[in-house]
Amino acid sequence: EIVLTQSPATLSLSPGERATLSCRASQSVSSYLAWYQQKPGQAPTLLIYDASNRATGIPARFSGSGSGTDFTLTISSLEPEDFAVYYCQQRSNWSWTFGQGTKVEIK
Amino acid sequence: EMQLVDSGGGLVKPGGSLRLSCAASGFTISAYRMNWVRQAPGKGLEWVSIISASSSYMFYADSLNGRFTISRDNAKNSLYLQMNSLRAEDTAVYYCARLIPTAIGHDAFDIWGQGTLVTVS
Repeated sequence: EIVLTQSPATLSLSPGERATLSCRASQSVSSYLAWYQQKPGQAPTLLIYDASNRATGIPARFSGSGSGTDFTLTISSLEPEDFAVYYCQQRSNWSWTFGQGTKVEIK
Repeated sequence: EMQLVDSGGGLVKPGGSLRLSCAASGFTISAYRMNWVRQAPGKGLEWVSIISASSSYMFYADSLNGRFTISRDNAKNSLYLQMNSLRAEDTAVYYCARLIPTAIGHDAFDIWGQGTLVTVS
């Protein structure tokens, strides 16, 4: 089973700052990585798929990069609505797994 | 607007059963693989099960040990999850989610229901 490890667990930043979130896979997943945002009490929302492609309607301040085992989600300038928990996700055979999440909180 | 609405959650005793439903609107589920994903209180996301568009295959998380059954009724545009022999560790919000293919042969969960809470106690 491929394990996804996200870091840091919590990121404390101010609006307007740049956020850099990391996701590391225990073995190569090629570019098979997605990122989701989840706000309290809400379902997750797809942000990025195939490591670097923004989903429909996702603002350009969100970007994804990486391949193999190391991936990054970058939010170029945090807006108030971006403070949330972010999960990475991959698929291996017939199993889909998520990282444990990174909480981006207001400093 | 494309939407999934989850229902059927509630309080159930250990060993009991529950059937969750997910109703789609704004699109037809018959073209898509559909899934259940759960989230225990204060925890992360855990994929539970997938069913193919035509119900030709289903897969489950190993942790379920055969206790859950996913099904769908394309005519009713609905997805279901039958949960038996429920345990305290099954307590979670259960989300249905649509899985779409990407251009390079991968996939991603693009539409999610609002979730339904299952409490086993």
